[in-house]
Amino acid sequence: RKEVEQDPGPFNVPEGATVAFNCTYSNSASQSFFWYRQDCRKEPKLLMSVYSSGNEDGRFTAQLNRASQYISLLIRDSKLSDSATYLCAVNPLWAGGTSYGKLTFGQGTILTVHP
Amino acid sequence: NAGVMQNPRHLVRRRGQEARLRCSPMKGHSHVYWYRQLPEEGLKFMVYLQKENIIDESGMPKERFSAEFPKEGPSILRIQQVVRGDSAAYFCASSPPADSGNTIYFGEGSWLTVV
Repeated sequence: RKEVEQDPGPFNVPEGATVAFNCTYSNSASQSFFWYRQDCRKEPKLLMSVYSSGNEDGRFTAQLNRASQYISLLIRDSKLSDSATYLCAVNPLWAGGTSYGKLTFGQGTILTVHP
Repeated sequence: NAGVMQNPRHLVRRRGQEARLRCSPMKGHSHVYWYRQLPEEGLKFMVYLQKENIIDESGMPKERFSAEFPKEGPSILRIQQVVRGDSAAYFCASSPPADSGNTIYFGEGSWLTVV
């Protein structure tokens, strides 16, 4: 089983649609969770961190379910500019008890928003 | 906007040559990470460095790859005797010392093509 798995996609949705991505992780000790967005041949850009209580940033909502070990990203009112690959990332707890920027990424889910 | 700076952005090497990729972290950041993204694969952690120290190199291939972050100057990822399978995007990321390192910021990447 992969450490971090994402919906395989691709997702093709019309403008204005609501789309949700899920991502599961295997390490129950994982401490931090993130969603990144990556455009073609560009670097990953942090979209949002994911907190236990859930968090929202405009049209984007992220949720964490520790019991089931998954995180989700909901995009409302999709825009053409949302077309990209969405990567979930998990930061496992370092054996020494301190976490750092060693992220494990999912393989990414491609989203295409069409007119 | 003094983000993470990587160069060269694109590099072509013949099999057997050496590739050197450079990374200057964001101002004030002293933690550097290298990630690799192979075609059709997700981002994979390679190495985590602080000034003059390799903290975690668990993702580095055992041979031909090395990394350093000297007291002065950029971090260098060095690949000796490149093979076609080394063709990938290499991303550097950095984080500030005060942070646990959970939030990392990526550079634009260096695209290595081995011919």
